[in-house]
Amino acid sequence: DQQVKQNSPSLSVQEGRISILNCDYTNSMFDYFLWYKKYPAEGPTFLISISSIKDKNEDGRFTVFLNKSAKHLSLHIVPSQPGDSAVYFCAARSGGDDKIIFGKGTRLHILP
Amino acid sequence: GAGVSQSPSNKVTEKGKDVELRCDPISGHTALYWYRQSLGQGLEFLIYFQGNSAPDKSGLPSDRFSAERTGGSVSTLTIQRTQQEDSAVYLCASTRLPRSGDTQYFGPGTRLTVL
Repeated sequence: DQQVKQNSPSLSVQEGRISILNCDYTNSMFDYFLWYKKYPAEGPTFLISISSIKDKNEDGRFTVFLNKSAKHLSLHIVPSQPGDSAVYFCAARSGGDDKIIFGKGTRLHILP
Repeated sequence: GAGVSQSPSNKVTEKGKDVELRCDPISGHTALYWYRQSLGQGLEFLIYFQGNSAPDKSGLPSDRFSAERTGGSVSTLTIQRTQQEDSAVYLCASTRLPRSGDTQYFGPGTRLTVL
């Protein structure tokens, strides 16, 4: 049973446009959410996070939105750049646990 | 070193053999995690070490998998009697403190292929 779901295996976006990556979760105990970015042959790198007490967190071109009632979060990248082409993992953690649960990832292609 | 290192970067082995994968976390990081990523799958949690506490082994898929962390630093993940379904990229991550998820640093991974 997947607790963190990224239903789009891949996404293609024109350079300069907005990329929106979606993530759904099932565990209502999750209180902290993270996005990681992964290039081929490298480990994931932390991108941005959000606590469940917030509904938005912004860092430069990256913004994460959290909708707790819908158990949904999204990562917005604007404007999209060629270097943003990578696999993006959504992850979540519950307050009573140190484990981080990852989704399957979404491969983002930024088109020239 | 500046980051988490893992060795070997690639490992090809025959079914039934044992393998050992090594992780060197960032110096001073108290928490260490092992994950694996099979083809087309997300990052699957395997095991978590925090300081001197008993490790959280809840993600280990079978008793053929075990891990140690010596001296609170280097960790070794051992897979006994490897099977083809063990083929995956095994990733190690460390954090300075637990629950600091936004500072979980990953190594480059070890790609394991079981023939």
